[in-house]
Amino acid sequence: DAGVIQSPRHEVTEMGQEVTLRCKPISGHNSLFWYRQTMMRGLELLIYFNNNVPIDDSGMPEDRFSAKMPNASFSTLKIQPSEPRDSAVYFCASSLGGGEKQYFGPGTRLTVT
Amino acid sequence: SQQGEEDPQALSIQEGENATMNCSYKTSINNLQWYRQNSGRGLVHLILIRSNEREKHSGRLRVTLDTSKKSSSLLITASRAADTASYFCATDGSNTGKLIFGQGTTLQVKP
Repeated sequence: DAGVIQSPRHEVTEMGQEVTLRCKPISGHNSLFWYRQTMMRGLELLIYFNNNVPIDDSGMPEDRFSAKMPNASFSTLKIQPSEPRDSAVYFCASSLGGGEKQYFGPGTRLTVT
Repeated sequence: SQQGEEDPQALSIQEGENATMNCSYKTSINNLQWYRQNSGRGLVHLILIRSNEREKHSGRLRVTLDTSKKSSSLLITASRAADTASYFCATDGSNTGKLIFGQGTTLQVKP
């Protein structure tokens, strides 16, 4: 099993540009999570899906952030327009279901200049 | 908001020594999990302990949970240089998978 796959691994963009982060969860996992990690705020849950349905998006910071999961093997996190304060490492994780351990991807390091 | 608070924030020990990290949380939980993160990498799950369990072992790891004190500890015995990493506790209050992470303990094991 390849584990959780995220792309790109690094993204550098200018303020105002649209950014799309991608995630492929582990096959057979029903839950998918998007996190953001910064030095100041630590690791924060942004949104999670269960069986492709968004369950809790209370962690999404602003309307500029949106996430989709069109099928069980793919999810995107989009930031439009991006701002310098969005610079962070974004992690995707998946699990067999609620209450189970989560498998994290390697992360996407986003830098917005 | 952070549910878990970890103590200490940083720990430096010699190889072969034991390392103990503590985690305190505020609300009731269904389970508590510990993760490790090596610099520049994703998080790796170490151990999950459910609210009705008091202690769990996995190799050189020992986790305890005291729900009356709302606290947990992670003990790494006979530490190795490869254990150098950040360690996070995360609480699941609803069994939905919605984890709230602590700020982490940075462990340095000197060879």
